Amino acid sequence: GAVVSQHPSWVICKSGTSVKIECRSLDFQATTMFWYRQFPKQSLMLMATSNEGSKATYEQGVEKDKFLINHASLTLSTLTVTSAHPEDSSFYICSAEPTTSSYEQYFGPGTRLTVT
Amino acid sequence: AQSVTQLGSHVSVSEGALVLLRCNYSSSVPPYLFWYVQYPNQGLQLLLKYTSAATLVKGINGFEAEFKKSETSFHLTKPSAHMSDAAEYFCASTSSGGYNKLIFGAGTRLAVHP
Repeated sequence: GAVVSQHPSWVICKSGTSVKIECRSLDFQATTMFWYRQFPKQSLMLMATSNEGSKATYEQGVEKDKFLINHASLTLSTLTVTSAHPEDSSFYICSAEPTTSSYEQYFGPGTRLTVT
Repeated sequence: AQSVTQLGSHVSVSEGALVLLRCNYSSSVPPYLFWYVQYPNQGLQLLLKYTSAATLVKGINGFEAEFKKSETSFHLTKPSAHMSDAAEYFCASTSSGGYNKLIFGAGTRLAVHP
């Protein structure tokens, strides 16, 4: 149980284009989902907290117009990297908090984004 | 600012030896604490969690951790390392600003050699 999927697992895009990453909780409902960014050999950095049906809350320093987050249902949140640049290349990981729990997060397998 | 400190970015042990990965948290209020493992190009898998019940927490794959409030520590141990334990380990703490926000340590890469 408590499986979170991400799609795609890896993506290569050209500079200036946009790319969408999906995060799905497969066997539970999640009111809250989180998006993290991880640079090589570094820890996870929380980018934003996504709540179903409301606007995402972004961490300080994260451009909300660049990283668009939509949480349209209790099982799906999407992260769109708009006008991507090479410096946006990173490993993006989402997590989902079950509606039945206030502190447990289940993590997706991550999406490797490479912007050329 | 609240933080999680993992002492030692790299730890190397022999197969069969004790594994000890250190984690200290900074919070005036005892938080919930977690240990996660990450294999290359994968997401995080929860090893164990402390949620203010028993101070000695047992997790998966033979790992356990002990919450020590006086030392603000939550060190991860395993009596006998396996080659398959080689991975990146992250300690995380809930934030005083909200229990569903996690603060991660920098991670410790565990290497296991024959």
